[in-house]
Amino acid sequence: GAGVSQSPSNKVTEKGKDVELRCDPISGHTALYWYRQSLGQGLEFLIYFQGNSAPDKSGLPSDRFSAERTGGSVSTLTIQRTQQEDSAVYLCASIYHSGANVLTFGAGSRLTVL
Amino acid sequence: EDQVTQSPEALRLQEGESSSLNCSYTVSGLRGLFWYRQDPGKGPEFLFTLYSAGEEKEKERLKATLTKKESFLHITAPKPEDSATYLCAVTASGGSYIPTFGRGTSLIVHP
Repeated sequence: GAGVSQSPSNKVTEKGKDVELRCDPISGHTALYWYRQSLGQGLEFLIYFQGNSAPDKSGLPSDRFSAERTGGSVSTLTIQRTQQEDSAVYLCASIYHSGANVLTFGAGSRLTVL
Repeated sequence: EDQVTQSPEALRLQEGESSSLNCSYTVSGLRGLFWYRQDPGKGPEFLFTLYSAGEEKEKERLKATLTKKESFLHITAPKPEDSATYLCAVTASGGSYIPTFGRGTSLIVHP
């Protein structure tokens, strides 16, 4: 597609439920990144993929968070047993390859955990 | 650990009132420093990349400069449409390419 597409744009869930956030990167972009942006905070790195592999998962805050990428394209970020502190905007970005310079971001998925 | 500190956190300007945003960084060998603009409800949008001290980039009313410790984003004669959050990020040479972002400066330009 022309840009990075994320869905849903907004998600309200109850504490303890699982959620899945989807990212569809720019066609041909091999690297894909997930960041989290909480109110008043900067972008917090979560995980990145080069192809379908995740060389660096160090940013995932707990084992409730997981992500996968299939076919070198779409990625899904899953949060199990959501907690109120998981409320944030989850941003996805893609890049032609990890050695390139400029990230292209999606509009984000706003998650609210009640 | 790479660190990026942006100041001020918030800035209010009158239309036409020039100012500068600061981004101080600590990184073990700078690969690149990036400026992004983020509008409410949207993802960050790329503005500039700087690679070495002394480098400058310009785009319309914005000019980014870089030293060995910090970068400035100069806004000349701003307009209300320049209102946004401006984010700075750095990547380190060697290792994986994972940009580290600052918390941003929220700029409001009043007409």
